[in-house]
Amino acid sequence: RKEVEQDPGPFNVPEGATVAFNCTYSNSASQSFFWYRQDCRKEPKLLMSVYSSGNEDGRFTAQLNRASQYISLLIRDSKLSDSATYLCVAGDSGYALNFGKGTSLLVTP
Amino acid sequence: SAVISQKPSRDICQRGTSLTIQCQVDSQVTMMFWYRQQPGQSLTLIATANQGSEATYESGFVIDKFPISRPNLTFSTLTVSNMSPEDSSIYLCSVPGANYGYTFGSGTRLTVV
Repeated sequence: RKEVEQDPGPFNVPEGATVAFNCTYSNSASQSFFWYRQDCRKEPKLLMSVYSSGNEDGRFTAQLNRASQYISLLIRDSKLSDSATYLCVAGDSGYALNFGKGTSLLVTP
Repeated sequence: SAVISQKPSRDICQRGTSLTIQCQVDSQVTMMFWYRQQPGQSLTLIATANQGSEATYESGFVIDKFPISRPNLTFSTLTVSNMSPEDSSIYLCSVPGANYGYTFGSGTRLTVV
């Protein structure tokens, strides 16, 4: 069983829509959680860290539910430039990161 | 956060040969990580490179196939040895960054023919 699982999509949404991505992680000892964004043929770039209290950065909101081992990312007012693959990541105490396969988002005019 | 220079950005290699990938960081970091991202797949950790000691390899990866050097706190190399087409992948180095996130190099896109 893969450690981090997420719906691969693709999610096709119109500009201005709200879209939510979910992922689950299997290792209950995971201690750090992130969402990364990866553009085609580029390296992953940190979008935001995810905290139990939830955190918001502009149009992006991340939530963590430790009891359910579930992480979410909400994107409001989608822009064309949001089109990318979004990687859910869970880190263990040894600094190793476990990546999901990514969820593809395509925002259309 | 740290800035990483990774070279080469891409290469096409003959099977049976070896390729060494370099990562230079603009600041000293204790740990550097090497990942592989196969087509359509997630990133998989190959090994953790620690300065002054041998690299720590993840299950499924061995030193003979992926030797790693870490001569100082700003530099590391990963060699893909005796390559086969199955080694075609993107290889990325990474270092811990701000807010506990990680910064990645721009990646090396390897094609083995």
